Amino acid sequence: DGGITQSPKYLFRKEGQNVTLSCEQNLNHDAMYWYRQDPGQGLRLIYYSQIVNDFQKGDIAEGYSVSREKKESFPLTVTSAQKNPTAFYLCASNQDRDNAYEQYFGPGTRLTVT
Amino acid sequence: ELKVEQNPLFLSMQEGKNYTIYCNYSTTSDRLYWYRQDPGKSLESLFVLLSNGAVKQEGRLMASLDTKARLSTLHITAAVHDLSATYFCAVGYGRNTPLVFGKGTRLSVIA
Repeated sequence: DGGITQSPKYLFRKEGQNVTLSCEQNLNHDAMYWYRQDPGQGLRLIYYSQIVNDFQKGDIAEGYSVSREKKESFPLTVTSAQKNPTAFYLCASNQDRDNAYEQYFGPGTRLTVT
Repeated sequence: ELKVEQNPLFLSMQEGKNYTIYCNYSTTSDRLYWYRQDPGKSLESLFVLLSNGAVKQEGRLMASLDTKARLSTLHITAAVHDLSATYFCAVGYGRNTPLVFGKGTRLSVIA
């Protein structure tokens, strides 16, 4: 089955620790994205990558880092510099073609930092 | 600045009634997306509208796009409880670029 996987589903960390969220896709998509969602809120873009070994900051990149060493993988590291990291993190991917524009989302990782 | 505005943000409607959610966007685009999100879950794609006048229907939901007015609507017909969720619209600009999302409309269908 083709799709996007995120792991873990739930993650608990102590304040001051870095944590890495996994995102893998087997859809052969070039573009991948990380969004953050706070309770009752919309989605905010953290980082995105349009091609391997390249990525761009989104609206709220401070305190986060990413890498794109392989087409299938786009891990997100939440660093200790992120002031309020508790949130729901969503990964997405797409490959726009003529008459085919579909952005797919993974199941999400809920991060709780205490 | 790219802006996508949805209204209403909260909607409580009775079963069997009809209602429309509106999505306005600030800059010309030819791609508009509607997603559904259930509590604690990810986003599920409902519709992708690619041209002016596009209309798509799935069950009790129908989406339309007017690119000249920069407006999309999501019409709910004879609402049922199972439609209770948050609905997001999003607009695409350029290939393989991030979507710009509205804040979402939280729909609650009550008996």
